[in-house]
This record gives sequence, C-alpha cells and structure tokens, in this order.
Amino acid sequence: QQQVKQSPQSLIVQKGGISIINCAYENTAFDYFPWYQQFPGKGPALLIAIRPDVSEKKEGRFTISFNKSAKQFSLHIMDSQPGDSATYFCAASTKSEKLVFGKGTKLTVNP
Amino acid sequence: GEEVAQTPKHLVRGEGQKAKLYCAPIKGHSYVFWYQQVLKNEFKFLISFQNENVFDETGMPKERFSAKCLPNSPCSLEIQATKLEDSAVYFCASSHDWGRPGSYEQYFGPGTRLTVT
Repeated sequence: QQQVKQSPQSLIVQKGGISIINCAYENTAFDYFPWYQQFPGKGPALLIAIRPDVSEKKEGRFTISFNKSAKQFSLHIMDSQPGDSATYFCAASTKSEKLVFGKGTKLTVNP
Repeated sequence: GEEVAQTPKHLVRGEGQKAKLYCAPIKGHSYVFWYQQVLKNEFKFLISFQNENVFDETGMPKERFSAKCLPNSPCSLEIQATKLEDSAVYFCASSHDWGRPGSYEQYFGPGTRLTVT
C-alpha cells in the first residue's frame, strides 16, 4: 500500500520557468513532510520541509504548499535552472520515525 | 562528523556470499535509519535504531538481514547469503533525538551500491 503518491513521474521545464511537483498522503498521523533532491550517484539531500501547522514555507526559490484538509502538498521551484535537474522525492513521517517516500519525479530543466 | 559516512562505496558479491555495509552517523545524532533504493528509485525502509537499540525493524527481511549499532563503532547492515534481488543502493540516514530542534530531519549518507552477481 503506497502511502505517499507523487506526480508527475517526469517533468521538463524551460530555464526560468516554474516547476511544480505534487504529493498526496493517506495517513493523517503524518506530521512532517520533507522534500529531498537526489542527483545521480548521490544520496538524497534534504531540500525543504514543512509541518502541518503552516500552509506554506519558502526558502529561496523553493516553496512548499501544504493543504491539510486535502492531504496534499507540493513543491514549487521558481526560476528553474539547469542545475536543478535532478530527481525530487516527497516524503512523510511521524515524529522521529521512518520516512515514507513518494516514487520520485525526474526534473529536467532545459537551457 | 558533520556528514553521514558510509563504506564501502561499491560492493560486489556473488550470489550466496555475505555482504556487510557500514554507517557512521552525524556526531550527536541518536537515530540511525537504513533504507534500500532499488533500480526504479523506490525507497524501502529497512530498520532504525535509537542509539544502540532497535527502534523499528518492520522493514527487515529477518531471515537474511541483520543490523547493529554498537557504542563507539559504526553501525552495520549485514546480508547473509545474498540474492540477486538484493542488488540496490543502501542508504543510511541519521537524525537528532526526538524533542530536540531539528529532530525530524533525516540526513542521508552517499550510499553503498551492492551488486550481486
């Protein structure tokens, strides 16, 4: 049973455009929602994360939007750059417990 | 250290051989997690530790997989009698103790790529 559904599977964006990746979860006990960025051959790097007590969090060009009632959250990458080309994973967890990951979105930003 | 360290970077084993992977968590972190990432990029949780105690082992195939986190030693993940399906990248992550600032944040190591031939 997949508890975190991520879409799209792949995304192509032009340089300077906005990249949007969506995730939906089922377990209402989740209280921590991070996004990870992974380059080929590397470990996932924590990008940005949100707790359900806020609806939006922004760090530089990266923004998480969170909709608790719909059990959905999304990552927005503003002014996308070729260097942002990577695979992005949403995840969810409860307290200090295991992360449940989405299946990933391969982002390609064309110059 | 400031980063999660994993060794070796690559490991090749013949089917049926033993494989042992190591992880040094970030200094001061109490939780250690092991995840398996298979070819389709999917992450599977294996086991977690709070200090040297098993916290959650619901993802472990217990018949062949074992793990330890002993004081003053790197954590280890051991696979007895490897199978072709064990070929994957194994990631270790660590986090602060529950209740401390940043305790939710898990930081990942670079991974160990296991190839079973």
